[in-house]
Amino acid sequence: AQTVTQSQPEMSVQEAETVTLSCTYDTSESDYYLFWYKQPPSRQMILVIRQEAYKQQNATENRFSVNFQKAAKSFSLKISDSQLGDAAMYFCASDNAGNMLTFGGGTRLMVKP
Amino acid sequence: NAGVMQNPRHLVRRRGQEARLRCSPMKGHSHVYWYRQLPEEGLKFMVYLQKENIIDESGMPKERFSAEFPKEGPSILRIQQVVRGDSAAYFCASSPPARTFEQFFGPGTRLTVL
Repeated sequence: AQTVTQSQPEMSVQEAETVTLSCTYDTSESDYYLFWYKQPPSRQMILVIRQEAYKQQNATENRFSVNFQKAAKSFSLKISDSQLGDAAMYFCASDNAGNMLTFGGGTRLMVKP
Repeated sequence: NAGVMQNPRHLVRRRGQEARLRCSPMKGHSHVYWYRQLPEEGLKFMVYLQKENIIDESGMPKERFSAEFPKEGPSILRIQQVVRGDSAAYFCASSPPARTFEQFFGPGTRLTVL
C-alpha cells in the first residue's frame, strides 16, 4: 500500500517570497507518478505539477517547481514569487498504477500581503 | 470541451434517506474515480470504474455504498440509509483510455446529513 505524508499542517509566506512545502511517500513500485494539487476555498482540485518517477529532472511549471529525491522518497513543492492567489490547501499525491491517487493530509498555505 | 461535471453541488439528506451523486466525465474519458474528503482531511479513494465495470472498489465501505458507470449516462455513487458520518465532499475524477496517470477532477458534491 502507498502512503503519502505531509508533515506541515500550515505554512505561511510573505507575498513575493519563496516557500517550500514538504511531502514524503512510500511505495514499493518502480513506476509511479507524483502530483501536487491545489484546493482553493471553492474546493475545486487543481493540478499544479506532476513528476514521473523515472525522470531524474525536476518538473517545473512557471513559478512552481519540485525537488524530487527518489532515494529519499521525498517530493517537495517550491513556490517562487508567492502571490495572494496561491493561498489554498495543497495536497501531495502519488499514483502507481493508474488506479487511484493516494493523497497526503494537506498543507494550508497562507500568503501575507 | 466541458470539464468533469458533478451534480448536485450540494445535497442535504436526513438520516436514513438515500443519496445519489452523479458524475459526467470529460468527453472521451472512459475511466471514472470517486474520492471522499472528510472535513480537514485529504481525499480518500473509494472506487475506480470503467464503462459497465468496477475495476477497483477497495476504498468503498462494505455496506450502504455502491457505484456504477453504465454504458450510457453518468456514473452514480449511491449511499443508502445515510448517517451523519457520511457528511463529506465527494469528488469524481476522470481520465482518458490511454494511461496518462492524470485525473481531472469535478467540483465535488458536498453531502450534509442532518
